[in-house]
Amino acid sequence: ELKVEQNPLFLSMQEGKNYTIYCNYSTTSDRLYWYRQDPGKSLESLFVLLSNGAVKQEGRLMASLDTKARLSTLHITAAVHDLSATYFCAANTSGTYKYIFGTGTRLKVLA
Amino acid sequence: NAGVMQNPRHLVRRRGQEARLRCSPMKGHSHVYWYRQLPEEGLKFMVYLQKENIIDESGMPKERFSAEFPKEGPSILRIQQVVRGDSAAYFCASSPPAGQGLEQYFGPGTRLTVT
Repeated sequence: ELKVEQNPLFLSMQEGKNYTIYCNYSTTSDRLYWYRQDPGKSLESLFVLLSNGAVKQEGRLMASLDTKARLSTLHITAAVHDLSATYFCAANTSGTYKYIFGTGTRLKVLA
Repeated sequence: NAGVMQNPRHLVRRRGQEARLRCSPMKGHSHVYWYRQLPEEGLKFMVYLQKENIIDESGMPKERFSAEFPKEGPSILRIQQVVRGDSAAYFCASSPPAGQGLEQYFGPGTRLTVT
């Protein structure tokens, strides 16, 4: 059964600093997603990663995928307060549409 | 193109009542998924449906919960005889038919409170 783990669960960082959130998954998956969720809101899709070595960037966020290590990372560059949110990764059970979500990383960027 | 619609956005029920949550997928999408999010937790898959078919309900509790996606109209998640532990945010997502896209698009959620 596919399991998805994220770390850290909580992250408090200063503005301007860099940090990385890690997402490990336990079995083969076709694709890996990153979502952002603000308090009381729905999920906003950030990235979809399909293949080994895939790297995608949007603004201060960059996501990568290593399918051999079953690891995805979300790197934050020069954090700003607006990035404060909870970030989830999700992987699908290979060959299905069933997403398994990580527990989330609650990010707080301090001014 | 309207996104995924869910209603109601907030629902309060007393213990023992029934809760009905509705989800209208994006136009052209034929796959619907329901997830539950408990406070401070990630989303847990509940069920995956196509029109008139339940494809995967491995995440649904065996009792009191049911889901449907009729030929006409929205998908419905029904919770009978609600208990306090059912209080959560329920999110619906939709995706296009197979071969037309990979992503699931999430609705705004229904926040169920059981008193």
